[in-house]
Amino acid sequence: NAGVTQTPKFRVLKTGQSMTLLCAQDMNHEYMYWYRQDPGMGLRLIHYSVGEGTTAKGEVPDGYNVSRLKKQNFLLGLESAAPSQTSVYFCASRKGRTDTQYFGPGTRLTVL
Amino acid sequence: SQQGEEDPQALSIQEGENATMNCSYKTSINNLQWYRQNSGRGLVHLILIRSNEREKHSGRLRVTLDTSKKSSSLLITASRAADTASYFCATDDPQGGSEKLVFGKGTKLTVNP
Repeated sequence: NAGVTQTPKFRVLKTGQSMTLLCAQDMNHEYMYWYRQDPGMGLRLIHYSVGEGTTAKGEVPDGYNVSRLKKQNFLLGLESAAPSQTSVYFCASRKGRTDTQYFGPGTRLTVL
Repeated sequence: SQQGEEDPQALSIQEGENATMNCSYKTSINNLQWYRQNSGRGLVHLILIRSNEREKHSGRLRVTLDTSKKSSSLLITASRAADTASYFCATDDPQGGSEKLVFGKGTKLTVNP
């Protein structure tokens, strides 16, 4: 099993550009999450999904959109990137609401 | 908003010493989890303790939970240089249906050889 994978690993964008981050898991997990991690801020939840076709807002959803068309994939989109979105983005998944979370390796995004 | 808050923010010890990190939280929980993050990597789950448990062990790790004080501690015994990492506690959110975990800001542990 590959676990949780994220694509791409690194990306540099210019202000106003758009991009999509892909998260894939092969563990048949229902729950999937997108976090951002900034120095001194810990992990902050952007959006999450409790099953295929569902999405919900987390703590810091503004400027991001998500989709969960297939159970194994969770996409995070930035429609118009801003320098404030420079961060490391982590995807995670878990089987049920009382289970542990498995994290991907992260995507380091820089917005110039 | 942050549910769990780790203390201290940073800890530096010598190899062989024990390391203790604390986590305090604000509202009732069903379970509390500890995660580890090596520099530049994703988080890795260490241990989960449920609200009806008081202590749990896993190898050199010992976690305690005091629901009356809304606090937990992670003890790493006989630390090694490879234990150098950031450690995060995470709590569920029963009022939100426990659909998501809320992470603290972490304790950065440095174990000097």
